[in-house]
Amino acid sequence: GQQVMQIPQYQHVQEGEDFTTYCNSSTTLSNIQWYKQRPGGHPVFLIQLVKSGEVKKQKRLTFQFGEAKKNSSLHITATQTTDVGTYFCAAGGATNKLIFGTGTLLAVQP
Amino acid sequence: EPEVTQTPSHQVTQMGQEVILRCVPISNHLYFYWYRQILGQKVEFLVSFYNNEISEKSEIFDDQFSVERPDGSNFTLKIRSTKLEDSAMYFCASSERTGFIDEQYFGPGTRLTVT
Repeated sequence: GQQVMQIPQYQHVQEGEDFTTYCNSSTTLSNIQWYKQRPGGHPVFLIQLVKSGEVKKQKRLTFQFGEAKKNSSLHITATQTTDVGTYFCAAGGATNKLIFGTGTLLAVQP
Repeated sequence: EPEVTQTPSHQVTQMGQEVILRCVPISNHLYFYWYRQILGQKVEFLVSFYNNEISEKSEIFDDQFSVERPDGSNFTLKIRSTKLEDSAMYFCASSERTGFIDEQYFGPGTRLTVT
């Protein structure tokens, strides 16, 4: 079945440093969504990418969808302690089910 | 802001017992889902539900699992005979539109512990 992998599994940064997580699929994606899960919390939708090569920004967060629609990335500029959590990409398809990636846990040291 | 609610927040049960996890999706949403997350692992799709029937289910969703929308607001997941490996956080989610491109709103989850 479809597999969605993320790297790194874990990233520890000093506050103010940048952070990037990469998402790779074994198959071409219809769309990709990104979710954030705070420790002990539930996934919260961040953004959706649909078009090949698409780039979207939300304040300090930049999301990219690869040209071949098989990979995506999330970059956070100047991390803050509020950015702590696990970031998941999720592949969407025709039936609305989401195939979540393996996630990247971000720790931010003040 | 409307939100998905789930009850109970934590359920402890003995192996072999039946459990029912309850969810109230956002009122104008049409698609409903159950996912599970074993501690420290990724979120896994279980089942999607639309128009009072299952749209899709994963390999995890075997004959021990069932879903129901007993009234206009609740959406339930039943596990008939729980196993130790069913211990996980179970998330309910809902989405508004019928198209495949739609954000999903997750509830706070029910932590199921099978002893």
